[in-house]
Amino acid sequence: QQQVKQSPQSLIVQKGGIPIINCAYENTAFDYFPWYQQFPGKGPALLIAIRPDVSEKKEGRFTISFNKSAKQFSLHIMDSQPGDSATYFCAARVNYQLIWGAGTKLIIKP
Amino acid sequence: DGGITQSPKYLFRKEGQNVTLSCEQNLNHDAMYWYRQDPGQGLRLIYYSQIVNDFQKGDIAEGYSVSREKKESFPLTVTSAQKNPTAFYLCASRVGPGYNEQFFGPGTRLTVL
Repeated sequence: QQQVKQSPQSLIVQKGGIPIINCAYENTAFDYFPWYQQFPGKGPALLIAIRPDVSEKKEGRFTISFNKSAKQFSLHIMDSQPGDSATYFCAARVNYQLIWGAGTKLIIKP
Repeated sequence: DGGITQSPKYLFRKEGQNVTLSCEQNLNHDAMYWYRQDPGQGLRLIYYSQIVNDFQKGDIAEGYSVSREKKESFPLTVTSAQKNPTAFYLCASRVGPGYNEQFFGPGTRLTVL
């Protein structure tokens, strides 16, 4: 119930393509869904986040799509660049604790 | 220069020794967290503290201990009871109630030989 399932584990996309990373959850008590970006040897940094009463949120080239009935949410990266190569984590919050997905290692090929 | 500092960046210890990882923040945040990160896995919560002199166990607290005597400091001790301590340890902080974002430090990579 407390899990957040993230897929795929790894993803290779050509520059300019649109990588999509998916997450699914069961616990309806989750009330906040962030995506974090992590570069090797660094701590994660917040990329974009959404609340369950919103179906889509865009910030620059990053978009979260949220499907409350299916208990799924996804990250889309428009016009992807080699600098977007990183590990991406979805998470879900309950009681001020974040439950994390396992991460997706994204490589954008030039 | 505000932020979260973790030291050291790399730490090597012999099996059976306790080791303390430092986490300091000058953001004036109320809440602080310790996570463990292993390859191919998401972050797992070890301990968290919502306020000074108070902390709660996370999902994997066994073999770890913390203290929160000052708002800006939240050190983590990895004890000899932790069966598999080699990992990347991340400290995070959050402003407090009503604020969502967790800000992370650069991490400490602990290797137990």
